[in-house]
Amino acid sequence: AQKVTQAQTEISVVEKEDVTLDCVYETRDTTYYLFWYKQPPSGELVFLIRRNSFDEQNEISGRYSWNFQKSTSSFNFTITASQVVDSAVYFCALNTGFQKLVFGTGTRLLVSP
Amino acid sequence: KAGVTQTPRYLIKTRGQQVTLSCSPISGHRSVSWYQQTPGQGLQFLFEYFSETQRNKGNFPGRFSGRQFSNSRSEMNVSTLELGDSALYLCASSLPIGMNTEAFFGQGTRLTVV
Repeated sequence: AQKVTQAQTEISVVEKEDVTLDCVYETRDTTYYLFWYKQPPSGELVFLIRRNSFDEQNEISGRYSWNFQKSTSSFNFTITASQVVDSAVYFCALNTGFQKLVFGTGTRLLVSP
Repeated sequence: KAGVTQTPRYLIKTRGQQVTLSCSPISGHRSVSWYQQTPGQGLQFLFEYFSETQRNKGNFPGRFSGRQFSNSRSEMNVSTLELGDSALYLCASSLPIGMNTEAFFGQGTRLTVV
């Protein structure tokens, strides 16, 4: 069975702090894709990144970076120099076939000025 | 390019009634998925349609059904509503190339069952 665990329910930081959101996944498949989505108060899920199981390179996009480690089945997300606009719920998700995403329970990030 | 459009945005229904939610995908996207989001269960996959065929289904009772039209628009129906069906229903569209394509989500329909 596929499972995604986001152990951090809520994180509060002050603006400009760095913050890391943890994601641990379980799957027996050798080919799979991992995603991060952001859900602002408006409700829609906004795609942030996709990573396949064969590519363990870390990725950086502006203030965002992702660390994928197959050895520990983790796909962590770091925001550098957080901003108030980063406040949202962040979801990690696993796709093992046909657009069926298995989501974690989400981490609510609160960035205060 | 227009995003995924879900209508209506808000609905209030009475227990026992049925409801139909609509989703218009991004132009060119032929795969449409539906998810239910509740505080208790989180985000759960309902079903996925491609070319008017259901390709995948989550663990929901038969009261939850869906369909897709030839223009890729999709509807989901919930019959005999229960209080526990109150949730945010999210629709996502994607290019059906494979599991590596990201899904683009609409803003959802918030259903309240009273």
